[in-house]
Amino acid sequence: EVQLVESGGGLVQPGGSLRLSCAASGFTFSIYAMSWVRQTPGKGLEWVSTVSGGGDDTYYADSVKGRFTISRDSSENTLSLQINNLRAEDTALYFCARNKESSGWKCFDYWGQGTLVTVSP
Amino acid sequence: DIVMTQSPDSLAVSLGERATINCKSSQTILYSSNNRNYLAWYQQKSGQPPKLLIYWASTRESGVPDRFTGSGSGTDFTLTISSLQAEDVAVYYCQQYYYTPYTFGQGTKLAIK
Repeated sequence: EVQLVESGGGLVQPGGSLRLSCAASGFTFSIYAMSWVRQTPGKGLEWVSTVSGGGDDTYYADSVKGRFTISRDSSENTLSLQINNLRAEDTALYFCARNKESSGWKCFDYWGQGTLVTVSP
Repeated sequence: DIVMTQSPDSLAVSLGERATINCKSSQTILYSSNNRNYLAWYQQKSGQPPKLLIYWASTRESGVPDRFTGSGSGTDFTLTISSLQAEDVAVYYCQQYYYTPYTFGQGTKLAIK
């Protein structure tokens, strides 16, 4: 059974940093591209970042480029998102998601339950 | 960026009746070289993460009931639930994956009338 479990969210002040993690199990992690998608009541679902199966290729939304860094450790089956210089608009529920192979690795067939990031003074 | 616009924002349908949700992209998401539409549909129930229903605009994900059907091409797409069941109450989202940034529609909230 595919499982994705996020952790690392919390309350942080503007300008602060957090590191989100996603523990993956139930599939061959190193094969799959993985992504972070966030959700807010106001902006809905927003794709944040994707990393290829090998970890060599990364992609970011313009809104987070230069502040967020996606990475993976296939020896630990873990996906990470380092988020720096946090802004109020980064407040969201952050989902870890697996990219679907037969969609060209571009849509998301499994999602975690999410970890909440709140940016507030 | 490709803007995805869903209609209606909310919808109430009687049990057993048909529900239709529309999604329009601001530019074509049909890739001519493979004749595929880069569109997915998701269902999100309260307190849960999204669940993939449809990809390539009309390919049903494994385990998804056949009352869910995706259709359309180019810029206009539809998700149809042929006979609404109580467990279909949810918010439905479309997503384009033609190119980054992958973008989602604003969601359509489906309720029972």
